[in-house]
Amino acid sequence: DVKVTQSSRYLVKRTGEKVFLECVQDMDHENMFWYRQDPGLGLRLIYFSYDVKMKEKGDIPEGYSVSREKKERFSLILESASTNQTSMYLCASRTTGRGHYQPQHFGDGTRLSIL
Amino acid sequence: QQQVKQSPQSLIVQKGGIPIINCAYENTAFDYFPWYQQFPGKGPALLIAIRPDVSEKKEGRFTISFNKSAKQFSLHIMDSQPGDSATYFCAASIGNNAGNMLTFGGGTRLMVKP
Repeated sequence: DVKVTQSSRYLVKRTGEKVFLECVQDMDHENMFWYRQDPGLGLRLIYFSYDVKMKEKGDIPEGYSVSREKKERFSLILESASTNQTSMYLCASRTTGRGHYQPQHFGDGTRLSIL
Repeated sequence: QQQVKQSPQSLIVQKGGIPIINCAYENTAFDYFPWYQQFPGKGPALLIAIRPDVSEKKEGRFTISFNKSAKQFSLHIMDSQPGDSATYFCAASIGNNAGNMLTFGGGTRLMVKP
């Protein structure tokens, strides 16, 4: 069974802090994704990574960066946290094997509050 | 600008009822339409998916209906149970794009009353 683990369930930080959200998957998946989930807006893609050291911007990358130094780990970085980044953050991974329609597997989320 | 519009935002039905969640999309290049189910405190998980070469797909009590000309698709839950109470997201993607990025609808919070 695929397991995607996010390092924190809840996190409280202050405005202006640099914040790191960590995600680890155990299935050797090539693709990894970071989303934020807000009521009524669904899941919006922040960044994704095709493979190690590769990254692409999603729909809402402003104020965020990512790092993927190892295949199993994908980190989301808030360079200078602001209150409008208070949200639920979800990490996902996906294999590219056996065609394009493989499902994304999600972690349980990190609820981040910026004070 | 949301490319996939989902309605309603919330839905309450009695046990045994048939909740229906609707989604509409704009981009005719979309060719894969999954639904994800999310329980409180958990991440979303794939429930059922359809490609536009069929008009309906059933898996157990869950059915997707797809109307290509109207650019709409919907999820029906037959004989709904309290355990189906969750948030449901429709999504769409273009199969040949790198990473198969999903565009999600806004979500529907379903409550099934005993």
